Amino acid sequence: SQQGEEDPQALSIQEGENATMNCSYKTSINNLQWYRQNSGRGLVHLILIRSNEREKHSGRLRVTLDTSKKSSSLLITASRAADTASYFCATAGNTPLVFGKGTRLSVIA
Amino acid sequence: DAGVIQSPRHEVTEMGQEVTLRCKPISGHNSLFWYRQTMMRGLELLIYFNNNVPIDDSGMPEDRFSAKMPNASFSTLKIQPSEPRDSAVYFCASSFDGLGDEKLFFGSGTQLSVL
Repeated sequence: SQQGEEDPQALSIQEGENATMNCSYKTSINNLQWYRQNSGRGLVHLILIRSNEREKHSGRLRVTLDTSKKSSSLLITASRAADTASYFCATAGNTPLVFGKGTRLSVIA
Repeated sequence: DAGVIQSPRHEVTEMGQEVTLRCKPISGHNSLFWYRQTMMRGLELLIYFNNNVPIDDSGMPEDRFSAKMPNASFSTLKIQPSEPRDSAVYFCASSFDGLGDEKLFFGSGTQLSVL
């Protein structure tokens, strides 16, 4: 399975701190995507990194991808209370996206 | 664009009843996905359509589940008869390309409770 597995399952930090979430997967991929889900809502796409890329930035988000280790990380810098949500990685090969179970991030004001 | 629209937002029904969930994808998207989310199993792909044709339904748990896409702007997921273990949040998502090279746009989901 290409299913990504996020680590940690839950993370609690103070506002202003950085949050790092990791994702490991098992097979070769074309790209890896990160999504955010606020409570009671659908998932929202954050960022996509292709298999030939090593790092990508979008605002306060920084994503890295290490295909040799089959792992990715999502860094949220200068976190805000509004960043409180669940974060999912999703892997893409020649099949539709397969999601992990997510990391629940709590940012305390 | 209004995004992916799902209805109803909440559904409470009794075991044995038929349940129909509805989805309107984003106009111009040619791929549509139905996912189910539970605490235990996370987000599972049930079925996906490309150009209104079911491509992979291997995630559909049982024959009690069926999905249709009669046209590019509408899809249904039906459970008949429903069982308590079907209780979950069901998401519909759409994209330009079904094979993961494009991002998915999700609806707000249908919270299904089967009593």
